[in-house]
Amino acid sequence: AQKVTQTQTSISVVEKTTVTMDCVYETRDSSYFLFWYKQTASGEIVFLIRQDSYKKENATVGHYSLNFQKPKSSIGLIITATQIEDSAVYFCAMRGNNNNAPRFGAGTKLSVKP
Amino acid sequence: GGIITQTPKFLIGQEGQKLTLKCQQNFNHDTMYWYRQDSGKGLRLIYYSITENDLQKGDLSEGYDASREKKSSFSLTVTSAQKNEMAVFLCASSSTGGAPYEQYFGPGTRLTVL
Repeated sequence: AQKVTQTQTSISVVEKTTVTMDCVYETRDSSYFLFWYKQTASGEIVFLIRQDSYKKENATVGHYSLNFQKPKSSIGLIITATQIEDSAVYFCAMRGNNNNAPRFGAGTKLSVKP
Repeated sequence: GGIITQTPKFLIGQEGQKLTLKCQQNFNHDTMYWYRQDSGKGLRLIYYSITENDLQKGDLSEGYDASREKKSSFSLTVTSAQKNEMAVFLCASSSTGGAPYEQYFGPGTRLTVL
């Protein structure tokens, strides 16, 4: 069975700083895909960034990047130069290559303060 | 671009009632999903469908039925609403051709059972 764990319930940072959110996963699939999503206060959920397990280089999109540590089954999300509007709940998700349905972690609430 | 529409936006039911939630997408995606989100929690997979007339149970399928008569639509039925139940039901879709791409989410249906 697949499992995704986010142990940080909430994080508070000052704007323009860098924040890292942790995520660890469990899977028996040899190939899998890891995703991060953002849920805003309105409830809207948007995709941010993806890491394919067979790729060694960490994915980067805008001011989001990933710290993929495959031996540790870990996929951290790094947000650089945080902005107030980055305040949201961030979810980590994983889909195995043999399974069409991603499972999600419990989420980490990020508060960015001036 | 595309959009996912969920109806109704708010659903109030009585204990024991059978309730149906609907989802439509115009991305032309193959796979559609239903997730449940309780307040302050992560997303739990109820059902998914990889093509029309296909149904796959998720981790939380007991107490629910689903139906995918068309590629663009996916319905979820709460077979017997539980008293004081409150949750948001999120529909999502994704392409499964080639790499498993990110999910796109609808705005959700907020269920309250009196």
